[in-house]
Amino acid sequence: GAVVSQHPSRVICKSGTSVKIECRSLDFQATTMFWYRQFPKQSLMLMATSNEGSKATYEQGVEKDKFLINHASLTLSTLTVTSAHPEDSSFYICSAKRAGGPDTQYFGPGTRLTVL
Amino acid sequence: AQSVAQPEDQVNVAEGNPLTVKCTYSVSGNPYLFWYVQYPNRGLQFLLKYITGDNLVKGSYGFEAEFNKSQTSFHLKKPSALLSDSALYFCAPNLDQLIWGAGTKLIIKP
Repeated sequence: GAVVSQHPSRVICKSGTSVKIECRSLDFQATTMFWYRQFPKQSLMLMATSNEGSKATYEQGVEKDKFLINHASLTLSTLTVTSAHPEDSSFYICSAKRAGGPDTQYFGPGTRLTVL
Repeated sequence: AQSVAQPEDQVNVAEGNPLTVKCTYSVSGNPYLFWYVQYPNRGLQFLLKYITGDNLVKGSYGFEAEFNKSQTSFHLKKPSALLSDSALYFCAPNLDQLIWGAGTKLIIKP
């Protein structure tokens, strides 16, 4: 149990377009989901914390209007990279915490975004 | 298969005592090695990383980690534990992507 999926796993887009990444908890309800960004061989950087039914809490330095996060249900959170540029190319990872469960974070496999 | 092991689900340490959180890995090549910490109701935060060079790496909040190539270990240490160190700690080797350990819950007791 406790599987988190992300879709798509890989996306290539043109500069200026928007890209939506989905994060789903497949077999549990997740009240909290986290979005991370990782550059090659670099550490994971927390972008935002997403609670179901409320606005996401963004980390300092993360542009809210550029990285739109929606957590509309207990099993789905989406990250939309708006007007993507090459510098947004990165590996995006989500994770989810089980509602009412132990403080364990389950990670999705990640989405590699390449902006041309 | 590539894997990382954090053999202890939970570590209990008295405040002021030294602490060690263990991590061993089985990964091909020469991975970068990371430690992350998760405080209650927060996302993961980066603690430290080893890339190359000195086997002892110093990181945030007074933590350090020692890389041992022959034992493929990267144990996290701190000379004197604080109550605020109570959290969940993840070891993660990284080649093209992070490989996550299961995490170790560190409990610091007064």
